[in-house]
Amino acid sequence: EVQLLESGGGLVQPGGSLRLSCAASGFTFSSCAMNWVRQAPGKGLEWVSTISGTAIKTYYADSVKGRFTVSRDNSKNTLYLQMNSLRADDMAIYYCAKNSQGYKRPVDSWGQGTLVTVSS
Amino acid sequence: DIQLTQSPSFLSASVGDRVTITCRASQDISSFLAWYQQEPGKAPKLLIYAASTLHSGVPSRFSGSGSGTEFTLTISTLHPEDFATYYCQQVNSFPRSFGGGTKVEIK
Repeated sequence: EVQLLESGGGLVQPGGSLRLSCAASGFTFSSCAMNWVRQAPGKGLEWVSTISGTAIKTYYADSVKGRFTVSRDNSKNTLYLQMNSLRADDMAIYYCAKNSQGYKRPVDSWGQGTLVTVSS
Repeated sequence: DIQLTQSPSFLSASVGDRVTITCRASQDISSFLAWYQQEPGKAPKLLIYAASTLHSGVPSRFSGSGSGTEFTLTISTLHPEDFATYYCQQVNSFPRSFGGGTKVEIK
């Protein structure tokens, strides 16, 4: 069974930093691209970032480019999101999400999410 | 960047109704479209990928169709557990994008 367990969320001041982690199990982690998707309170889903299985390729939404960095440690089956220069509009539940294997495939598994609150 | 426009954004329906949700892409995405269901307070779940392929374990009352720029999600007979918010997502190119969502509520 695929399991994705996010951690690292919490309260941070505007301009601060936070590092999210996602521990994965139940599948061959290094074979799957991974994503971060966020959802602001009462709002829709927003794609944040994707990293390929080998970590060679990374992609970001314009709203986070230059401030957020996605990475992975395939030896630890863990996905990360380093978030710097946080703003009020970054406040959201952040979901770790696994792509299904193959070309241009969607997310097929989601974590339960971790809440990031940006407030002074 | 590709924008996805879902309609309607809100839908009131009764158990047993047939429901159709539309997702329009700002440019051709072939069949690289997925549909997700999100219940309140829960993570989304994949329903359909490649525009019309049912994900494993998803009931057959859900179906998807379309290609290019226009896509539909149909629930043939609404069950009580189907009252949720539905999102489309294009996986044709980066940046990935989601539609704004369609909330299906009980009439």
